[in-house]
Amino acid sequence: QQQVKQSPQSLIVQKGGIPIINCAYENTAFDYFPWYQQFPGKGPALLIAIRPDVSEKKEGRFTISFNKSAKQFSLHIMDSQPGDSATYFCAASKSGSARQLTFGSGTQLTVLP
Amino acid sequence: NAGVMQNPRHLVRRRGQEARLRCSPMKGHSHVYWYRQLPEEGLKFMVYLQKENIIDESGMPKERFSAEFPKEGPSILRIQQVVRGDSAAYFCASSPARYTDTQYFGPGTRLTVL
Repeated sequence: QQQVKQSPQSLIVQKGGIPIINCAYENTAFDYFPWYQQFPGKGPALLIAIRPDVSEKKEGRFTISFNKSAKQFSLHIMDSQPGDSATYFCAASKSGSARQLTFGSGTQLTVLP
Repeated sequence: NAGVMQNPRHLVRRRGQEARLRCSPMKGHSHVYWYRQLPEEGLKFMVYLQKENIIDESGMPKERFSAEFPKEGPSILRIQQVVRGDSAAYFCASSPARYTDTQYFGPGTRLTVL
């Protein structure tokens, strides 16, 4: 019930391609869905986040698509660059006194030059 | 504009020793979360603290692990009698208030248990 399932585990694209990372959740109480980017040896950095009341959110080259009925959301990276090579995590949290994040298992993205 | 600070960045302990991990939240933040990341896995929630108060420790192992966030000073995650399975990266995140969604993560402490 608390899981967030993420796919694919790894992804390789050419520079300029549009990698897509997908996440699915079960708990309908989740109401906040962020994406984090993590480089080796570093902490996760917040990229973009969405709430269920919108179906899409765009910030720069990063877009989240959200499908409430399917309980799925995805990250699209437009015009990907080698510097985007990192591990990406989706996450979810729910309203309440503690807003701990439940993370997906991560996607290792490699963008080839 | 310092972000979340964690120290040490790397910690090596032998089985049976104690590990103390420290986290200083961003300026103005009074809420701290601790997460653990095992190799090749996502982060798992451990504990959520406010100054002088543990709000949610549902993700903490029942034995050997404890956390505190005193009125003065950093938050501390303490692991007593470490075992090899405790080897992981431990991340701290902070937020400015309760019921706030956004969490800002520190660089983590990589614990290796020999």
